[in-house]
Amino acid sequence: QVQLQESGPGLVKPSQTLSLTCTVSDYSISSGNFYWSWIRQRPGKGLEWIGYIYYTGSTYYNPSLESRVIISADPSKNQFSLRLSSVTAADTAVYYCARTQLVFSFDYWGQGTLVTVSS
Amino acid sequence: EIVLTQSPATLSLSPGERVTLSCRASQSVSSYLAWYQQKPGLAPRLLIYDASNRATGIPARFSGSGSGTDFTLTISSLEPEDFAVYYCQQRSNWPLTFGGGTRVEIK
Repeated sequence: QVQLQESGPGLVKPSQTLSLTCTVSDYSISSGNFYWSWIRQRPGKGLEWIGYIYYTGSTYYNPSLESRVIISADPSKNQFSLRLSSVTAADTAVYYCARTQLVFSFDYWGQGTLVTVSS
Repeated sequence: EIVLTQSPATLSLSPGERVTLSCRASQSVSSYLAWYQQKPGLAPRLLIYDASNRATGIPARFSGSGSGTDFTLTISSLEPEDFAVYYCQQRSNWPLTFGGGTRVEIK
């Protein structure tokens, strides 16, 4: 059973950079059969796809966040990461990492981690 | 960006009832639509992908239909564990987008 686990600070100050890591167990992110995505859910709101990374290192981001987002991967640790710069209170959300099928649906998710942007 | 509109926002139903949830796209997404179930405090769970394909381990009471701009998720007979929020998601155009969700609550 594939497992994903997000980790990182739960509190980030405005204008700083949010950094999260997703550790994947029981499946290699280098296998090439899946993409690996970040998705967020603002309090009481719906879901917003942030972007994905493929095992080749190629990435694709939501244009609404593209100027502030970097997704990277460390295959040796079977991890992928999210960096979101210049955060504001509007970036407060539960952040999920998810395995993404080649048909771009999300079949395995992490439990999610709440990141609050506040001074 | 494709906007997905889900209706109704909330449904109040009893166990055993049949439920039909709607997702309408602002432009055609062909059959490239998925459905998810989310319970409080948990991550979403994939139910259906590409409009009508059940994901691994999803019970047969869940079915999806539709193409173009109008899609439906049907639960043939509500079980107690089905009370949750349901989201649709399209993969036809970038960026990937989700609908606003429909809450299915106990009547």
